[in-house]
Amino acid sequence: GENVEQHPSTLSVQEGDSAVIKCTYSDSASNYFPWYKQELGKRPQLIIDIRSNVGEKKDQRIAVTLNKTAKHFSLHITETQPEDSAVYFCAASDSGNTPLVFGKGTRLSVIA
Amino acid sequence: EADIYQTPRYLVIGTGKKITLECSQTMGHDKMYWYQQDPGMELHLIHYSYGVNSTEKGDLSSESTVSRIRTEHFPLTLESARPSHTSQYLCASSPRGNTIYFGEGSWLTVV
Repeated sequence: GENVEQHPSTLSVQEGDSAVIKCTYSDSASNYFPWYKQELGKRPQLIIDIRSNVGEKKDQRIAVTLNKTAKHFSLHITETQPEDSAVYFCAASDSGNTPLVFGKGTRLSVIA
Repeated sequence: EADIYQTPRYLVIGTGKKITLECSQTMGHDKMYWYQQDPGMELHLIHYSYGVNSTEKGDLSSESTVSRIRTEHFPLTLESARPSHTSQYLCASSPRGNTIYFGEGSWLTVV
């Protein structure tokens, strides 16, 4: 089955700097890669996703890149702000009958 | 408003008690899931369902059971609660694709 590895487990950046979180997956059949943000005490919420027919997707300050050959995808947050502080989860699936497989999460702290 | 509703949100119960966590979604999604998560930690899939009368166990060994008699309703039952069951339980649903939408969670404390 699918296995998703996520790094780093914790990340601290200065406000205004960029943050990058990386994930690798094992199943070449996976073709859907979402990212979730979970603020303290709240539910995980989808912030961006990418499908295997696209190499990069941007939404304002966040972007996701996908390298299918290397089986890895990354979340990039530019001009970080204190409200970006949260736990971020990557996930992968084949969009079929198998549930999303999540990484173990990255705790991002943005220091003002 | 379309959403995923979980009740109770917070519950403290004694060891050995039976508890059912309710989950309902108003979006007509076929797929529903239960995750267990300690605060800010890994999401563990414990049960999922892809339609009425269909349920599957997830990756995390669990002493809970689920049922899916109606599309919108996916309750989780613990027959005999133990302190090790203390955690947050997140219900989620998704349409035919795999984008998952989470409920606000049920925080369970077993004393």
